[in-house]
Amino acid sequence: GDSVTQMEGPVTLSEEAFLTINCTYTATGYPSLFWYVQYPGEGLQLLLKATKADDKGSNKGFEATYRKETTSFHLEKGSVQVSDSAVYFCALIRDSSYKLIFGSGTRLLVRP
Amino acid sequence: EAEVAQSPRYKITEKSQAVAFWCDPISGHATLYWYRQILGQGPELLVQFQDESVVDDSQLPKDRFSAERLKGVDSTLKIQPAELGDSAMYLCASSSGGRGAYEQYFGPGTRLTVT
Repeated sequence: GDSVTQMEGPVTLSEEAFLTINCTYTATGYPSLFWYVQYPGEGLQLLLKATKADDKGSNKGFEATYRKETTSFHLEKGSVQVSDSAVYFCALIRDSSYKLIFGSGTRLLVRP
Repeated sequence: EAEVAQSPRYKITEKSQAVAFWCDPISGHATLYWYRQILGQGPELLVQFQDESVVDDSQLPKDRFSAERLKGVDSTLKIQPAELGDSAMYLCASSSGGRGAYEQYFGPGTRLTVT
């Protein structure tokens, strides 16, 4: 079945460091891909998305490119801030089902 | 900005008691989802509604869980009786539905603790 695999956390970085969180997926067809962010005690917020191969999603300095050849959707940010500390979830949705399939999440901790 | 509303935000209940959660989706959103998120894991779909009809409840433990969306607007998720393993965050999400409308908007969730 469909699945999403994320790198295990926590990821601990100093402020202004470069961030990469790896995400790979397994799915039939051509899913759409998402990154959601969850701040402590809150629900999930959509961070960015990409709906077809080679699309780049971007928002708030975060970017991710849909790589069909490597079935990946890695999240990157050039300079992280303390306020970026949260849990990040990679997810996919197949056209036919509209059900989101999530990875297990990666906790990011940014130190001043 | 329109948001998905959920209540209560926190609920503590004893094992074998009944508990209910409420969700009000973004106005006009035809599709409503209930997800369960166990601590340290990603959310998993429990039930999906299209208007008032259930589209997918394959992962809903139907012996103790029930969900309804009677008028196709707000929704209630019930657990009876609650078990210790039900302790989790219950998230509601909505989307406008239809082909290409993939974005789901999440509420703040209800944190359930079963003692």
